[in-house]
Amino acid sequence: SQTIHQWPATLVQPVGSPLSLECTVEGTSNPNLYWYRQAAGRGLQLLFYSVGIGQISSEVPQNLSASRPQDRQFILSSKKLLLSDSGFYLCAWSTQVTGELFFGEGSRLTVL
Amino acid sequence: SQQGEEDPQALSIQEGENATMNCSYKTSINNLQWYRQNSGRGLVHLILIRSNEREKHSGRLRVTLDTSKKSSSLLITASRAADTASYFCATGSGGSNYKLTFGKGTLLTVNP
Repeated sequence: SQTIHQWPATLVQPVGSPLSLECTVEGTSNPNLYWYRQAAGRGLQLLFYSVGIGQISSEVPQNLSASRPQDRQFILSSKKLLLSDSGFYLCAWSTQVTGELFFGEGSRLTVL
Repeated sequence: SQQGEEDPQALSIQEGENATMNCSYKTSINNLQWYRQNSGRGLVHLILIRSNEREKHSGRLRVTLDTSKKSSSLLITASRAADTASYFCATGSGGSNYKLTFGKGTLLTVNP
């Protein structure tokens, strides 16, 4: 069966520090991968998606970047965090066919 | 901007009652999906309805889709305290199922 792992679960970082959130998927090949952000009491904002290794599409211009170094690995990064980067970050994957998303458990980032 | 918008924003009912949540969207879609999110957790896929379908059932869930009105509803019958969660609709459009656009969600509270 397929599983998705996302870490760290919780992160408290100072303004200006770097960020790296990692997500890996097991049990499937060539998944579509996504990073979403959820602000408190709001819906999900799509940040990045990837349909293959090295292929990254950015939905919203911002202080973040994403990379896909391996087929089932997706990394969200920042060189210098801003206060506005605080939020709940969710990694997800889907097959090429249905579009149904499978989410990780999320990473809560607090920037102080 | 958000494609799907859920209504109401919050709903509080007693155990055993039915809960109905609505979703409206603006542009043409390939499919519409409903997800559930327990507080502080990742989202879980509930049901997907395609644009050529009008109604779909899964256990105690019933989803309807009216493409002429660009709206969908999620009915949870005989609700339980464990159904307490946020419910999101998400639309897939743009000729691809790769990207979903989420609404802000309905917070459902089922009181025992």
